[in-house]
Amino acid sequence: AQTVTQSQPEMSVQEAETVTLSCTYDTSESDYYLFWYKQPPSRQMILVIRQEAYKQQNATENRFSVNFQKAAKSFSLKISDSQLGDAAMYFCAYVPKAAGNKLTFGGGTRVLVKP
Amino acid sequence: EAGVAQSPRYKIIEKRQSVAFWCNPISGHATLYWYQQILGQGPKLLIQFQNNGVVDDSQLPKDRFSAERLKGVDSTLKIQPAKLEDSAVYLCASSWRGQGALLAKNIQYFGAGTRLSVL
Repeated sequence: AQTVTQSQPEMSVQEAETVTLSCTYDTSESDYYLFWYKQPPSRQMILVIRQEAYKQQNATENRFSVNFQKAAKSFSLKISDSQLGDAAMYFCAYVPKAAGNKLTFGGGTRVLVKP
Repeated sequence: EAGVAQSPRYKIIEKRQSVAFWCNPISGHATLYWYQQILGQGPKLLIQFQNNGVVDDSQLPKDRFSAERLKGVDSTLKIQPAKLEDSAVYLCASSWRGQGALLAKNIQYFGAGTRLSVL
């Protein structure tokens, strides 16, 4: 069974600084997708960034970037120039390409941004 | 483009009562998902529909939970009777397609969820 692990329950960052969230996953699949979702207090899950496993290049979306290490099954998220609006729960998620679109989520990391 | 709509936002019931949640997906999205998110955890898929057919309901407690998507658009999730452990946020998501689709076509977009408290 696939599992996704986020080992940091909470991370704190100073405004304008950088924070990195960890995610590891366990799978026997070779082709899959990885996602980071943000969940603010409004509860709506918002897609932050996504990565296709067969692409070597790390995905980047403005201040958000990932470090994808396929062999290590690691998928960390870096938030640069943190803003107050980045405060939220962040979830790492995995879906194998060949097995439907069933997302498996990690347990989440709460990000606190200090002004 | 309108997002995924869910109602109600909050619901408080007593154990053994019944409750229903409604979801309207993004227009044109064939695949609809219901997730259960217990406090402090990530969402867990309960059921996935492709149009009006069930693709995966392996995690749905079928003795008390039911879901339907009769016309392939709106969906309703029902709990009857509710237990204390059903207290959670119920999230609905939709995607243009599901299995086998390119990434751009199977990204899931979420609604704001319904927070259920069972007393």
